[in-house]
Amino acid sequence: DVKVTQSSRYLVKRTGEKVFLECVQDMDHENMFWYRQDPGLGLRLIYFSYDVKMKEKGDIPEGYSVSREKKERFSLILESASTNQTSMYLCASSAQGEGSYEQYFGPGTRLTVT
Amino acid sequence: GEDVEQSLFLSVREGDSSVINCTYTDSSSTYLYWYKQEPGAGLQLLTYIFSNMDMKQDQRLTVLLNKKDKHLSLRIADTQTGDSAIYFCAESFNDYKLSFGAGTTVTVRA
Repeated sequence: DVKVTQSSRYLVKRTGEKVFLECVQDMDHENMFWYRQDPGLGLRLIYFSYDVKMKEKGDIPEGYSVSREKKERFSLILESASTNQTSMYLCASSAQGEGSYEQYFGPGTRLTVT
Repeated sequence: GEDVEQSLFLSVREGDSSVINCTYTDSSSTYLYWYKQEPGAGLQLLTYIFSNMDMKQDQRLTVLLNKKDKHLSLRIADTQTGDSAIYFCAESFNDYKLSFGAGTTVTVRA
């Protein structure tokens, strides 16, 4: 079974702090994704990576950056956390090639910025 | 851009069938998906359908796709309390990104 793990389930940070969220997948997937989930808005894509050191902006990249130094690991960075970044953050991975592109999700990190 | 729309809430009695509806706007989508999210958890893929299919059945789940109306539905037969969750409809195109709806919260009452 595909396993996607996230470094923390719950995180509380102060405004202005630098925040790192880490995601690891064990299925050798090329693609990795970071989403934020807010009630009534569904999942919105923050950033996407299709290869090591490659990244692509999603729908809401402002205030975030990412890092992919190894194939299995994809980090989301909040350079200076703000209260409007309080949310649930979900990481996902998927394989490339022909197929149905289904994404496999981690359990999520609920981040509160105070 | 792509838009996927779902109603936000559905309440159903235990043992009845649930039908969750979704509309999408981009006719070039290749696959359509249903994901389930239980409280405090990530999303779990329930089923998906290729865009050239009309129907897919998998045990208690039936997916219907009407391409003309760009309408996708998920029917859960004999709904159980364990089916209480948020259900997301999503579509993909010829890249690897998925576009998600806002999610339908299904509440199963005794």
